[in-house]
Amino acid sequence: QLQLQESGPGLVEPSETLSLTCTVSGGSIKSGSDHWGWIRRPPGKGLEWIGSICFTENTEYYGPSLRSRVTISGDTSKNQFSLKLNSVTAADTAIYYCARHLWHSKWYFDVWGRGTPITVSS
Amino acid sequence: QSALTQPASVSGSPGQSIAISCTGTSSDIGSHDLLSWYQQHPGKAPRLIIYEGNKRPSGVSTRFSGSKADNTASLTISGLQAEDEADYFCCSYVGSHTFGLFGGGTKLTVL
Repeated sequence: QLQLQESGPGLVEPSETLSLTCTVSGGSIKSGSDHWGWIRRPPGKGLEWIGSICFTENTEYYGPSLRSRVTISGDTSKNQFSLKLNSVTAADTAIYYCARHLWHSKWYFDVWGRGTPITVSS
Repeated sequence: QSALTQPASVSGSPGQSIAISCTGTSSDIGSHDLLSWYQQHPGKAPRLIIYEGNKRPSGVSTRFSGSKADNTASLTISGLQAEDEADYFCCSYVGSHTFGLFGGGTKLTVL
């Protein structure tokens, strides 16, 4: 059974870089054409897709609002993928989720992690 | 940038049916079936309940169904139950620059 688990610092200071990791178990991040994505939900707001990566196709895709500040990468030997978001502000306070992202001729997230809360504050 | 518009809230009584709309454009919802719906209870991760417009993942109740008319997709929940009270989000592929968007979300209250 595929499972995803986010890990992160909990608290990040303004202007710093947020780094999160998603550990995947029960399946490989190099499986077929699966993409692996990050989504966030700020308090009182809706879901926002941040971006996704595919290790078999060597592709990364980012949503327009964070594209200039975000990088998604991975370590296939550890079956993990990561998110880096630089120059964070209070507006980046949110629960961050990782998920498997089915892409080609599809566009949905079928398995999610439980989420990790991130607060940006000094 | 495209937007997917959902009502902020809907409500219904146990046993009733409700529908949540998700309105896009002829360039996104109106042009394909790459539309999914997610249920999110407070403090929990989102859960996929409908994909490709009207397909249910294994384990999702048949009380949940998806449909589309022109540029508007709908999620219908029949036989409302207290456990259905949650936030619901639509999500669609919207093109090769933005790629995909979530709707603003709808809070369902079971009266």
